[in-house]
Amino acid sequence: GQSLEQPSEVTAVEGAIVQINCTYQTSGFYGLSWYQQHDGGAPTFLSYNALDGLEETGRFSSFLSRSDSYGYLLLQELQMKDSASYFCAVSPYGQNFVFGPGTRLSVLP
Amino acid sequence: EPEVTQTPSHQVTQMGQEVILRCVPISNHLYFYWYRQILGQKVEFLVSFYNNEISEKSEIFDDQFSVERPDGSNFTLKIRSTKLEDSAMYFCASSEGGSRTEAFFGQGTRLTVV
Repeated sequence: GQSLEQPSEVTAVEGAIVQINCTYQTSGFYGLSWYQQHDGGAPTFLSYNALDGLEETGRFSSFLSRSDSYGYLLLQELQMKDSASYFCAVSPYGQNFVFGPGTRLSVLP
Repeated sequence: EPEVTQTPSHQVTQMGQEVILRCVPISNHLYFYWYRQILGQKVEFLVSFYNNEISEKSEIFDDQFSVERPDGSNFTLKIRSTKLEDSAMYFCASSEGGSRTEAFFGQGTRLTVV
């Protein structure tokens, strides 16, 4: 089976940098994804790592290390609108996505 | 921009009644999913659908659940006899290349069973 762990809450101030970690136990997977979900909204795709290393998309970067069973999402130049829940998700060999428990990010002025 | 659409946005039903949640995936996507999210909790996988059949399902997806692609555009989730614990947000998602590619989610249907 698969299990993922994330911190439940993270707080940071506007303009700061924050890192949200994701550790996982899975027998094999295609990649690690990150999704953002605002209260009452749908999960929206942020990034996907198929290979080890860093993927950068604007203010957001994501990192994967398969040998360490670990990944993270890095958010730079935080804005108030970044306050949301962030979910990591693995794509196990199969066809579904398995989501982590989510990290609630609060950005303070 | 193409998007996944779900109807209705809210559904209130009495315990024991049947509900059908509807989804229109992105037109060129081949893989379809239903997820649910109980308030304040994580997104949970229910079922995936490919080539007109279920490809995977979770323990949650028991005999009271079924999915159908009745035509070329719609993808439905039926809950036969709703229970109080079925109250949740139900998300439909689709992807072009299965779990090798990103999944696009609809805005969800909030189901309340009373």
